[in-house]
Amino acid sequence: AQSVTQLDSHVSVSEGTPVLLRCNYSSSYSPSLFWYVQHPNKGLQLLLKYTSAATLVKGINGFEAEFKKSETSFHLTKPSAHMSDAAEYFCVVSASGGYQKVTFGTGTKLQVIP
Amino acid sequence: EPEVTQTPSHQVTQMGQEVILRCVPISNHLYFYWYRQILGQKVEFLVSFYNNEISEKSEIFDDQFSVERPDGSNFTLKIRSTKLEDSAMYFCASRPVTGLYGYTFGSGTRLTVV
Repeated sequence: AQSVTQLDSHVSVSEGTPVLLRCNYSSSYSPSLFWYVQHPNKGLQLLLKYTSAATLVKGINGFEAEFKKSETSFHLTKPSAHMSDAAEYFCVVSASGGYQKVTFGTGTKLQVIP
Repeated sequence: EPEVTQTPSHQVTQMGQEVILRCVPISNHLYFYWYRQILGQKVEFLVSFYNNEISEKSEIFDDQFSVERPDGSNFTLKIRSTKLEDSAMYFCASRPVTGLYGYTFGSGTRLTVV
């Protein structure tokens, strides 16, 4: 079984300040973890993915995430928020083995204040 | 980078009508998936498909839904008699035989049932 918890439904930051979106996961097997972004009325865009290589993963648009097995976390960070980062962010987990459906978190809406 | 292509991007249909959503997975991928996202809610797994048969399906995927790979390139989701509550964004995804590294989502089809 696998699940993912996004601890904040809404996060608000000022432009130019750091972003932290939190994600904790649960998985019976070694997980693969993803972060997706969805702008209003748009599809899912992959930001980054962790698949048992380096624990610090760099993605697009300056985002990165660190896989911490001891804390079962995969938090998404960005040093400096931009107005265009305002969107909804989904943490996604999938376990190895089987047919590997993925499980989405409930999402975090990021608001960037000018 | 290879993409999963979904058509149409928007579809409006009358309640009770049949609708077919189309997806072209990445060419060397062998596992295919449909997910849906009702407005304001999380993305939910519908069905996975491998070796020309359904490998797993969720409770949502009832007898009104079917999937097919009619040729070597397309993967379709059919809803036989649409209901208002079928209005959602539908995402197709595909991945290679091994590993999750290539797990890729399409940009989605927004289905509106009126």
